[in-house]
Amino acid sequence: DIQMTQSPASLSASLGETVTIECRASEDIYNGLAWYQQKPGKSPQLLIYNANSLHTGVPSRFSGSGSGTQYSLKINSLQSEDVASYFCQQYYDYPYTFGAGTKLELK
Amino acid sequence: EVQLVESGGGLVQPGRSLKLSCLASGFTFSNYGMNWIRQAPGKGLEWVASISSSSSYIYYADTVKGRFTISRDNAKNTLYLQMTSLRSEDTALYYCARHKAYNWGFAYWGQGTLVTVSS
Repeated sequence: DIQMTQSPASLSASLGETVTIECRASEDIYNGLAWYQQKPGKSPQLLIYNANSLHTGVPSRFSGSGSGTQYSLKINSLQSEDVASYFCQQYYDYPYTFGAGTKLELK
Repeated sequence: EVQLVESGGGLVQPGRSLKLSCLASGFTFSNYGMNWIRQAPGKGLEWVASISSSSSYIYYADTVKGRFTISRDNAKNTLYLQMTSLRSEDTALYYCARHKAYNWGFAYWGQGTLVTVSS
């Protein structure tokens, strides 16, 4: 199985700041990676697919990058509505696996 | 508008069975693979099972293989998850989800149905 190691587990940042969340796969996943945002009590929402493609309706301050085994999600100019948990997920191979998540809070 | 509505969750004793349903609307259900994903209280996301559009390909997480069965009825636009031999560690909010296209991430999620396994 492909293991997804996500870091950091939690993150505190100020409004307007740029934040980066990392995800490392245990083997090459050939950009088969998605990022999700989940707010408390809500279903996850797709932000990024294919490592760097922005899902419909997602603000352009979100971006994804990476290749091989190393991927990252960047949020530019942090807004209050970005407070949430973020998860990466590989879909290159079954079983699909998620990172453990990053909880983003405001400083 | 794509909508996925799960149902069938509840409180069940260990070792018993439960069947979840997910009613889809707003898209051509028979054209898309579908998935079940769960989230234990306060925990992360765990993919459970996937089924292709025509049910030709089915995959399970090792944690549920042999106990859970994913199926679909394209005439009824409904996805199912039959869960047997339930354990306390199966307690979770169960989501059904549809890919964006191909298998490019889970673009559409239901609101989830809660399964609690406890005596």
